[in-house]
Amino acid sequence: GESVGLHLPTLSVQEGDNSIINCAYSNSASDYFIWYKQESGKGPQFIIDIRSNMDKRQGQRVTVLLNKTVKHLSLQIAATQPGDSAVYFCAPEWNTDKLIFGTGTRLQVFP
Amino acid sequence: IAGITQAPTSQILAAGRRMTLRCTQDMRHNAMYWYRQDLGLGLRLIHYSNTAGTTGKGEVPDGYSVSRANTDDFPLTLASAVPSQTSVYFCASSEGAGNPYNEQFFGPGTRLTVL
Repeated sequence: GESVGLHLPTLSVQEGDNSIINCAYSNSASDYFIWYKQESGKGPQFIIDIRSNMDKRQGQRVTVLLNKTVKHLSLQIAATQPGDSAVYFCAPEWNTDKLIFGTGTRLQVFP
Repeated sequence: IAGITQAPTSQILAAGRRMTLRCTQDMRHNAMYWYRQDLGLGLRLIHYSNTAGTTGKGEVPDGYSVSRANTDDFPLTLASAVPSQTSVYFCASSEGAGNPYNEQFFGPGTRLTVL
């Protein structure tokens, strides 16, 4: 089965610093990965995705890195802002259309 | 465009009562999903529907049922609620229909407390 592990349950960063959130997955057949952001009291919101034929994808202030050899993803947030404070989930896809969510990493941004 | 709406926003329910959580999407997505999120945990898939008229079981389906009579609506029913079903419930949708790269869009959630 699929499982998702996160290296740090809580990450605290100072405003303006870069943040790196890591995620390990177990199913080598996963070929699509999504990062979601969930603010308190809200549903998960799509941040960025990456397909298995890529090892890096960049968005606005965010970069996702995929290492399929070691089954690891990371989400990098540049110049972290208070509005980035949330729980972040990586979600590998399995069985076509199904996503597996880990427990998430809480990002806290301090002024 | 509203995206996905869920109702009610929150509900307190006595154990043993029947409850239906409503979910409606206006994106004409084929696939829809129900998740529960417990404190300190990620989202777990309860049931899903790949297209109108079909449903399937997810990771934690026991005690829940769903129906998909049309594309837009995907209600989740608790036939006889138990305290362990206290959770936040999220509905989601995606284009589906064989698209292998499906971003799921989530509703705002329903906070359910079973006493």
